[in-house]
Formats: sequence, structure tokens, C-alpha cells
Amino acid sequence: GENVEQHPSTLSVQEGDSAVIKCTYSDSASNYFPWYKQELGKRPQLIIDIRSNVGEKKDQRIAVTLNKTAKHFSLHITETQPEDSAVYFCAASRPTGFQKLVFGTGTRLLVSP
Amino acid sequence: KAGVTQTPRYLIKTRGQQVTLSCSPISGHRSVSWYQQTPGQGLQFLFEYFSETQRNKGNFPGRFSGRQFSNSRSEMNVSTLELGDSALYLCASSGAGTGYSYTFGSGTRLTVV
Repeated sequence: GENVEQHPSTLSVQEGDSAVIKCTYSDSASNYFPWYKQELGKRPQLIIDIRSNVGEKKDQRIAVTLNKTAKHFSLHITETQPEDSAVYFCAASRPTGFQKLVFGTGTRLLVSP
Repeated sequence: KAGVTQTPRYLIKTRGQQVTLSCSPISGHRSVSWYQQTPGQGLQFLFEYFSETQRNKGNFPGRFSGRQFSNSRSEMNVSTLELGDSALYLCASSGAGTGYSYTFGSGTRLTVV
């Protein structure tokens, strides 16, 4: 079945450093790859997403890259801040009509001042 | 625009009982998905409804069921509760205007004792 692997499970960085989280997926029919941020006790919130017709997408300090051939995608956060501390989930989904987001196991990011 | 509303926020049930959780999607969203979130298993897909029809189902036992009403509100039911059903149950809605990205509700925290 579909599977999404996410690494690392925990990531500690100093404020101002960059953070990179990587995911691989198994279903070659997947074409939608969102990233969610979940702060402690709160709901997951979409922070950025990418579709398979795009290789990279940026939004201020965050960016996502996608390599469909290798079936992996990554989240890049630059100039990290303490408020970036949270659990980040990647996910993958097939085209509309068969929507079923398959999530990675999450990465706990800790940004130290 | 109101977000995804889940009720109740917290629930304590006894093993063997049954429970019904409710989810009201963002106005205009016709797709509602349910996820179970536990520390050990992450976010696991339960099922997805679109226009009152279940389109996708995850790998959960038949004790887990759901339905969607004509106004897109959705309910999920868990019968014969087990201790292992203790989790945060999240629902998410999506619609055509969002590019089919998901917005999550705050979840229902179910504790089975």
C-alpha cells in the first residue's frame, strides 16, 4: 500500500540555522505533497504544498522541493526562529477524486535561541 | 469564514461503550476526511466522504464507521470501544476552491478507560 517515510524524527537547530526535513513516498501515482505544522496541543496547519508539475516552491523562509523520479520531497526552512519549533508532517496524495492523504510519521523540530 | 468545527473537544468513555464524533466542514467544502492521531502511529487515515458517499477507507476495523449528511456535516462512530482507541480524532475538509488542500479541525480527544 501507500507509504510515506519521513526523516529525521527529531531535529535540533540553533536560531538562524537552516532545517531540512526529507520524505519519500511509494505510490508513483501521487501528485500532491503538502506539509503541515502542528504546534503542541493544536491542529495541523498547512504551511506549504507542491504539485507534481512543479519542482520547487517557495514562501518566504520555507521552500519545498520535489523529485518525482526519485519519489522524494523535502521541506527547507531558512533563518529558523524559536516559533518554528513544532512537529512537521509531510503527506502525499493521488489526484482529486481519490483523495487520501498519507502522512509521514512527523519530525519534531526544536529551535534553540 | 468559520473553520472546521469538531465536537465535542474532549470525551471520556468506558471500554465497551460506543461514541459518536461530529465534524462541520468549512462552508462550501464537500469532502470530509477523518484521521486518528496517536503518539506511536502518527496520523492514520480512517475514511473520506464526498457528497454523502464514502470514497476511501483506511485500514481500521469495522467498529469504526462514518457518514456524511446532505449539508456536508460528518459523523464518525466507534462501537465497542477499546483502550487502544484512545487518540485525537481529527477531521479535515477540502473543496474545489482550495485546490483540494485540507483544513483540519481542532480534533476530539477521546480517552477510553
